[in-house]
Amino acid sequence: KQEVTQIPAALSVPEGENLVLNCSFTDSAIYNLQWFRQDPGKGLTSLLLIQSSQREQTSGRLNASLDKSSGRSTLYIAASQPGDSATYLCAVLQGAQKLVFGQGTRLTINP
Amino acid sequence: SAVISQKPSRDICQRGTSLTIQCQVDSQVTMMFWYRQQPGQSLTLIATANQGSEATYESGFVIDKFPISRPNLTFSTLTVSNMSPEDSSIYLCSVEFGSGSYEQYFGPGTRLTVT
Repeated sequence: KQEVTQIPAALSVPEGENLVLNCSFTDSAIYNLQWFRQDPGKGLTSLLLIQSSQREQTSGRLNASLDKSSGRSTLYIAASQPGDSATYLCAVLQGAQKLVFGQGTRLTINP
Repeated sequence: SAVISQKPSRDICQRGTSLTIQCQVDSQVTMMFWYRQQPGQSLTLIATANQGSEATYESGFVIDKFPISRPNLTFSTLTVSNMSPEDSSIYLCSVEFGSGSYEQYFGPGTRLTVT
């Protein structure tokens, strides 16, 4: 059974810092990995999608990497801003389009 | 991507009653899914909504409790039946366009509180 773990569970940093969020998964037989952002009481916004054959994806200040063989992904956020405060979720896609989610990292950027 | 809407956005219901949640997409999609997010928890897949046939449920979820319909390629409903306080959660639908990337996009969610 696939298990997805995100570390840390919560992170608080001052504005302007670069930071890394970690995601690990137990079964490397995945189709892709998605990073999402969730604001309190809201739905999910897709940030980055990495296919299983890819190593990284970039969008603006965000960079996600994938090491499928070791079951790890990282989300790098450069020059953090207060508007980046949210919960960040990673999810891996297995057969039949089933997304398995981690518990999330609650990020707070302090002005 | 597409615009995905859910109705209602939130509701407070009494135990023993049922609530039907609607998910509408502004373009045709290949796959539609329903997820549950219990308080303080991450998302769990309830079922895949299949167009024109019965939904495919994940372990721990049954049709009698969570009946699902998908009459066409842009619309689906999830009913939470005979509710108890343990059903208080955010319910989210997601869609996938069949583009080959298998990327899923999520609706805004329905926040359900059962008293």
